[in-house]
Amino acid sequence: DQQVKQNSPSLSVQEGRISILNCDYTNSMFDYFLWYKKYPAEGPTFLISISSIKDKNEDGRFTVFLNKSAKHLSLHIVPSQPGDSAVYFCAASGLGNQFYFGTGTSLTVIP
Amino acid sequence: DTAVSQTPKYLVTQMGNDKSIKCEQNLGHDTMYWYKQDSKKFLKIMFSYNNKELIINETVPNRFSPKSPDKAHLNLHINSLELGDSAVYFCASSQGTGRGNEQFFGPGTRLTVL
Repeated sequence: DQQVKQNSPSLSVQEGRISILNCDYTNSMFDYFLWYKKYPAEGPTFLISISSIKDKNEDGRFTVFLNKSAKHLSLHIVPSQPGDSAVYFCAASGLGNQFYFGTGTSLTVIP
Repeated sequence: DTAVSQTPKYLVTQMGNDKSIKCEQNLGHDTMYWYKQDSKKFLKIMFSYNNKELIINETVPNRFSPKSPDKAHLNLHINSLELGDSAVYFCASSQGTGRGNEQFFGPGTRLTVL
């Protein structure tokens, strides 16, 4: 039973353009969300997070948007760079201490 | 200096064997985790330890047994390996539990059961 879903397994974007990665969740008790980035043969690394009391969090080129009513979050990367090419996982947690991960979206930024 | 390390990085073994994967973190974190990433790329938690005590134990076959000799180590022992155990296993750690405690992951151990 997958509570966090990333329906786009892959995305290609031209360098300098915006990358938008999407994530949906089903559990209304989730109140904290994170994005992780993963390069091949490495573990995921934390990128950015957002609490449910906010609808936007920005860190440099990365912005996460949260739409609680739609149970949807998105990660915007602008401008996209070739070094951003990686797999991006979104994750969510609620009252407990467990994080639920999506299956990832593979982003390719074309130079 | 690697923050979360796992050994071995690759493990190829026969069905029915017993194997262990070791994990160490030098971040001074209190909480450690084991995740399994299967062929569908689904990253799912298996176990979590906080200060050497088991706090999360998902529905995992009891052939899998975690052992935490101290806060910096969380090893995973797997008995009677099966084909379906083939996956990438990630160890992770965090300062505490819950929101605000982002997890730091190791590089993963790719287990292949033949």
